[in-house]
Amino acid sequence: QVQLVQSGAEVKKPGASVKVSCKASGYTVTGYYIHWVRQAPGQGLEWMGWINPNSGGTNYAQKFQGRVTMTRDTSISTAYMELSRLSSDDTAVYYCARAVLPGAIVWFDPWGQGTLVSVSS
Amino acid sequence: EIVLTQSPATLSLSPGERATLSCRASQSVSSNLAWYQQKPGQAPRLLIYDASNRATGIPARFSGSGSGTGFTLTISSLEPEDFAVYYCQQRSNWGFTFGPGTKVDIK
Repeated sequence: QVQLVQSGAEVKKPGASVKVSCKASGYTVTGYYIHWVRQAPGQGLEWMGWINPNSGGTNYAQKFQGRVTMTRDTSISTAYMELSRLSSDDTAVYYCARAVLPGAIVWFDPWGQGTLVSVSS
Repeated sequence: EIVLTQSPATLSLSPGERATLSCRASQSVSSNLAWYQQKPGQAPRLLIYDASNRATGIPARFSGSGSGTGFTLTISSLEPEDFAVYYCQQRSNWGFTFGPGTKVDIK
């Protein structure tokens, strides 16, 4: 079945960077956009951007431009999200999610299990 | 940026009751709206897309309606597993935004 499996929890110091991975299985990886969404503790969902695994093209939410980089390695069916210059405000669960339809950007299903990134001095 | 507001913030109901959740957009999003369910400690799950289409495997008791700036998610008869937080999401030229969520809890 279609599955997204994310890397484990991370603890980072302010100013550092974090790279979260999202390994896809059960479908043709290059056919579906991957989105990244984060959720701060007890808060709502915040869209960060998407990557087209086929072309490598990306589109980032304005809030994260200059600080986020989304990449992919199709040989191992894995997408990555790297966030730099971390602050305590970046403490959140980070999710990857696949677009529902091939070649389309909308909507998000399924989702990975989430990766908790904690930023603390 | 298009802002989504959801009401009510919390809905307290009993199993078997009907739940009506509202989502309003700050400007028209046409039918570019989805609904997600999230249970504690779990990732969100897509329920409704394009305002009124049920996602694969979603029970018929979930339905969505609306277009433009006003949308509704209806759960016709609440099952015990439906108590969760529900988010609406819109797609625009600037990207995606989510509403703040409506928590449906047991009365």
